[in-house]
Amino acid sequence: SQQGEEDPQALSIQEGENATMNCSYKTSINNLQWYRQNSGRGLVHLILIRSNEREKHSGRLRVTLDTSKKSSSLLITASRAADTASYFCAIKTYSTLTFGKGTMLLVSP
Amino acid sequence: EAQVTQNPRYLITVTGKKLTVTCSQNMNHEYMSWYRQDPGLGLRQIYYSMNVEVTDKGDVPEGYKVSRKEKRNFPLILESPSPNQTSLYFCASSRGQELSGANVLTFGAGSRLTVL
Repeated sequence: SQQGEEDPQALSIQEGENATMNCSYKTSINNLQWYRQNSGRGLVHLILIRSNEREKHSGRLRVTLDTSKKSSSLLITASRAADTASYFCAIKTYSTLTFGKGTMLLVSP
Repeated sequence: EAQVTQNPRYLITVTGKKLTVTCSQNMNHEYMSWYRQDPGLGLRQIYYSMNVEVTDKGDVPEGYKVSRKEKRNFPLILESPSPNQTSLYFCASSRGQELSGANVLTFGAGSRLTVL
């Protein structure tokens, strides 16, 4: 399956701490994307990293990609209660985008 | 406002009663797709469309039909719904999904369907 697999399934931290989520996949990719979903709502795109990139930043988000290990990580720094959501990695191949099962992040005040 | 609009947002129906979930986007996107989301299974793609009159099966197409007669609309049809199609459905679109593209998906708000 091309599906990415996130780890951990759930993560609980305090406000101000950093949150790290990992994604592993099995196939060659065009790019890897991270999305966020607030409870029961539509997914929102956060950041995209191409297969020839190793690291990207966007605000408090930092994404890394290691194509030799077929893995990516999403780091959220200085977390806030509003970051509480599910986070999904998505594997981009030629014609489709395949999502993992997600990591549920709970940030407590 | 650029958006993907799904209707209905909530629906309770009975087994065998045909239903259609509409999806419309106002961004002139070529690519549209339907996903279903179930606890523990994540998002799974049902059908996608690379452009008008071009549709293809995703990972879980059984029991569903789609059509793409116009660029902006991509309805999902359940001809004879069954309880295992109870799920949260998302429509999404993007500019394109070609190999060189770095296109990202814009999602609708979701349609929660219950089949009794």
